[in-house]
Amino acid sequence: QQQVKQSPQSLIVQKGGISIINCAYENTAFDYFPWYQQFPGKGPALLIAIRPDVSEKKEGRFTISFNKSAKQFSLHIMDSQPGDSATYFCAASKLSNTGKLIFGQGTTLQVKP
Amino acid sequence: GAGVSQSPSNKVTEKGKDVELRCDPISGHTALYWYRQSLGQGLEFLIYFQGNSAPDKSGLPSDRFSAERTGGSVSTLTIQRTQQEDSAVYLCASTRFANTGELFFGEGSRLTVL
Repeated sequence: QQQVKQSPQSLIVQKGGISIINCAYENTAFDYFPWYQQFPGKGPALLIAIRPDVSEKKEGRFTISFNKSAKQFSLHIMDSQPGDSATYFCAASKLSNTGKLIFGQGTTLQVKP
Repeated sequence: GAGVSQSPSNKVTEKGKDVELRCDPISGHTALYWYRQSLGQGLEFLIYFQGNSAPDKSGLPSDRFSAERTGGSVSTLTIQRTQQEDSAVYLCASTRFANTGELFFGEGSRLTVL
């Protein structure tokens, strides 16, 4: 019930294309769904997050789509750039608890020039 | 410093030795987390500290792993009698309050057990 499943494991996209990464969760008590971006040799950094009371959140080229009934959420990167090449992790937590994040397995994105 | 600081950045040890990994959270952050990132894997929760409350140790994989947080600030993760499967990057994160959502991660300590 604590798992967060992420796909695909790796993704190659041409510059200017749309990158889509999907996640599914099981625990309906989760109330916070962030995406983290990690560059090699660095720690993960928060990219964008959503609460379950909205179905979509957009920040610049990054959009989270959230489907509460299906217990799924996804990250869309519009106009993908080579600088977006990184590993992306989805996560989920119950903020009223410890706030600890349960992470997906990660997606390595490569954006080709 | 401005961010979460971890040391050492790299540690190579022999199987059976004990290691200590240190985390300096962002000043004023009351919540501190340790995660483990194995090669090509996601981040695995290990332990959580919040103020003076009892830590949540539910993610520690065995009794060889322990952690403490002194004075509500610096934390040390100790791995006793290291095994090769302990090889991973150990990440520390902190946040002002546990219910604010965003965790700020350090760059990690890469542990290699030979």
